[in-house]
Amino acid sequence: DVKVTQSSRYLVKRTGEKVFLECVQDMDHENMFWYRQDPGLGLRLIYFSYDVKMKEKGDIPEGYSVSREKKERFSLILESASTNQTSMYLCASTPGQGRGAFFGQGTRLTVV
Amino acid sequence: SQKIEQNSEALNIQEGKTATLTCNYTNYSPAYLQWYRQDPGRGPVFLLLIRENEKEKRKERLKVTFDTTLKQSLFHITASQPADSATYLCALGNSGTYKYIFGTGTRLKVLA
Repeated sequence: DVKVTQSSRYLVKRTGEKVFLECVQDMDHENMFWYRQDPGLGLRLIYFSYDVKMKEKGDIPEGYSVSREKKERFSLILESASTNQTSMYLCASTPGQGRGAFFGQGTRLTVV
Repeated sequence: SQKIEQNSEALNIQEGKTATLTCNYTNYSPAYLQWYRQDPGRGPVFLLLIRENEKEKRKERLKVTFDTTLKQSLFHITASQPADSATYLCALGNSGTYKYIFGTGTRLKVLA
């Protein structure tokens, strides 16, 4: 079974902190994604990566950056956390276009 | 702009009945459509993918239809069980892009 693992289930950070969310997948998937999920808004794409060191902005990249130094690992960075970044963050991977996505368990981030 | 609509109201049905969930979309011509299940506080789990040239797809008790003329997909769970209670998300995708567009989901509750 494909496994996508996010480093934390719950995080509480202070406003202005730099926050790192880590994601690792074990099935050699090319594509990895970071979404945030908020009530009534659904999943919104922050960034995605289709290869090592390659990244593209999604629909809401402001305030975030990403890093993909190894194929299996995709990190989301909140440069200076703000309260409006309190959300559920979901990492996903897919083997290619037109295939189902495999999601991690999610990280519930609270910024105070 | 592209839009996906899923019934935001919860659907309550009796155990053993068939649950039918709807996904409508506008301003988009997807090459494929996916359905996911999401339990509270968890990441979505991929269930089924149906392509634009397929009318229907089945997997165990699940059936998905895809009508590109009506711009609609129906998701059926036959012989529903309380364990099927969850939120179900639909997502659209297209060739040439890695992005999926997710609906906000419909919450299903199967009553024993």
